Amino acid sequence: DQQVKQNSPSLSVQEGRISILNCDYTNSMFDYFLWYKKYPAEGPTFLISISSIKDKNEDGRFTVFLNKSAKHLSLHIVPSQPGDSAVYFCAASARNNFNKFYFGSGTKLNVKP
Amino acid sequence: NAGVTQTPKFQVLKTGQSMTLQCAQDMNHEYMSWYRQDPGMGLRLIHYSVGAGITDQGEVPNGYNVSRSTTEDFPLRLLSAAPSQTSVYFCASRLTGIYEQYFGPGTRLTVT
Repeated sequence: DQQVKQNSPSLSVQEGRISILNCDYTNSMFDYFLWYKKYPAEGPTFLISISSIKDKNEDGRFTVFLNKSAKHLSLHIVPSQPGDSAVYFCAASARNNFNKFYFGSGTKLNVKP
Repeated sequence: NAGVTQTPKFQVLKTGQSMTLQCAQDMNHEYMSWYRQDPGMGLRLIHYSVGAGITDQGEVPNGYNVSRSTTEDFPLRLLSAAPSQTSVYFCASRLTGIYEQYFGPGTRLTVT
């Protein structure tokens, strides 16, 4: 059973608007969360992360929000650009084993010009 | 820096054949890992290593062997390939204490 879930396989957004990608998790031991971006035929690249001691982390156009009580995190991209079109994975690791990372199934974002 | 490199990029095997997927990194990262990516499943951890001589199992280790004799290299061995091992394989590395991983470009493996 997947411990990290991304329930939206795809998302389409107009250029300049906000993209919101969602991720849910089931393991209450998870205490660090990351977002990766993946282009076709390439490996994932790190985008942004958040520790469970925070509820928000911002880096330029990218903001990650963490709601621990709901076991939910989201990635906001504002404004969205065509170059943001990619598959986005969320990942989590637990405080009792930070050497193991659990990934969601990914959301394919398409930003239309 | 080349980062994380993987060879080959593509491979087709017949059921029962063996092969080794190569992974190397030039960033002096102690932690290295192998993932497989399947449609609808995301990336799943196969094996990982926290340093030379130390390896451990991930979520889906069955059918795969690893060893780590140097900091730079972390090969993944399939001893007897099965069609269920058809997947895209990614190697990754990171510094100890840092969560961010650097991924290689992947190896697409097909087992017929």
